[in-house]
Amino acid sequence: AQSVTQPDIHITVSEGASLELRCNYSYGATPYLFWYVQSPGQGLQLLLKYFSGDTLVQGIKGFEAEFKRSQSSFNLRKPSVHWSDAAEYFCAVALSGGYNKLIFGAGTRLAVHP
Amino acid sequence: EAGVVQSPRYKIIEKKQPVAFWCNPISGHNTLYWYLQNLGQGPELLIRYENEEAVDDSQLPKDRFSAERLKGVDSTLKIQPAELGDSAVYLCASSLGTANNEQFFGPGTRLTVL
Repeated sequence: AQSVTQPDIHITVSEGASLELRCNYSYGATPYLFWYVQSPGQGLQLLLKYFSGDTLVQGIKGFEAEFKRSQSSFNLRKPSVHWSDAAEYFCAVALSGGYNKLIFGAGTRLAVHP
Repeated sequence: EAGVVQSPRYKIIEKKQPVAFWCNPISGHNTLYWYLQNLGQGPELLIRYENEEAVDDSQLPKDRFSAERLKGVDSTLKIQPAELGDSAVYLCASSLGTANNEQFFGPGTRLTVL
């Protein structure tokens, strides 16, 4: 069965510092991969997605993610974090070629220090 | 364009009472999803509708949960009777289609069962 692991439950960074959130997936083939952000009291917003092609994908709000097949990873990065990036981040996987039945990780809560 | 609307945003009930959640998807979106998000976890799919047909309800606990999407637009998710373990956030999402289409999430309904 497909699964998603986000090893870090909480991460704290200083404003202006770089950020990397880890995501590992378990799936027999190349899945569709997603990163969502959830701010308090808000719904999930899609940051970026990978279906195929270039393994480095750009998203909204200055985020990017890199798909590494050999490591079954899809880590999210941002070169300089802003205080408004404090939120919960979810990695998700979906079956390729099928409908988007999303399997989510448990999330990583990001805190940003001024 | 209005996003996915959910109501109520918060609900507190006594155990064994019934409760219902309402979702209005983005106009024109024929696919509607209900997710359950437990505290500290990622969302888990409960049911997916294509228009008015429930095409994936394998994760819906049918002994106490029910859902409907009359006329293929708005949807209602019901729990009867509620149990303490049902305390969670219930998210609704919609998309234009299934495969490869972004799911747009509502803000959720936070249910507390006392």
